[in-house]
Amino acid sequence: GQNIDQPTEMTATEGAIVQINCTYQTSGFNGLFWYQQHAGEAPTFLSYNVLDGLEEKGRFSSFLSRSKGYSYLLLKELQMKDSASYLCAVRDQASGGSYIPTFGRGTSLIVHP
Amino acid sequence: DVKVTQSSRYLVKRTGEKVFLECVQDMDHENMFWYRQDPGLGLRLIYFSYDVKMKEKGDIPEGYSVSREKKERFSLILESASTNQTSMYLCASSFREGRNEQYFGPGTRLTVT
Repeated sequence: GQNIDQPTEMTATEGAIVQINCTYQTSGFNGLFWYQQHAGEAPTFLSYNVLDGLEEKGRFSSFLSRSKGYSYLLLKELQMKDSASYLCAVRDQASGGSYIPTFGRGTSLIVHP
Repeated sequence: DVKVTQSSRYLVKRTGEKVFLECVQDMDHENMFWYRQDPGLGLRLIYFSYDVKMKEKGDIPEGYSVSREKKERFSLILESASTNQTSMYLCASSFREGRNEQYFGPGTRLTVT
């Protein structure tokens, strides 16, 4: 099984930087995803890490340390539209050779002016 | 552009009714998933399928069944709806190999009275 932990809620100011952490314990790690979910909408894919290090994509970056079971999502130059829930999902192998992610409970980020 | 569609955005059913939720994807994805999302509990996997006619139980399969007769279509069935099945239901699909990030449908808000 898997245990994934992320903070329930965070607040930040427009223009600032925020780091959302995710820690996990899993028997067979095979990649970590971050998704963004605006209220009332479906989750959308943000980033994927399978090797240690930082992956940068515009204002968003995601970091992974497999030895520590730790990832973070870094959001720079925050905008009001970044107010959303951020979901960490850890992938391991399941039946049929498919890789199945398990989701954390999500972090609700509130950006205020 | 990947599209995952769900048969209804909102549904109201009575206790004991049989409920069908349908999901269709147009990207030739092998994997399809059904989740429910509840406040404070995050996304929980009900069932997934990695091929036509193949299905695997997720974390909370009790009270649900699924059907996958065609690659693009994955149905969730509530044999006898109960009030504790009131929830947001999200369908997702992904490729079996590679990064295999998930694409989500818009969700069905089911209320059982």
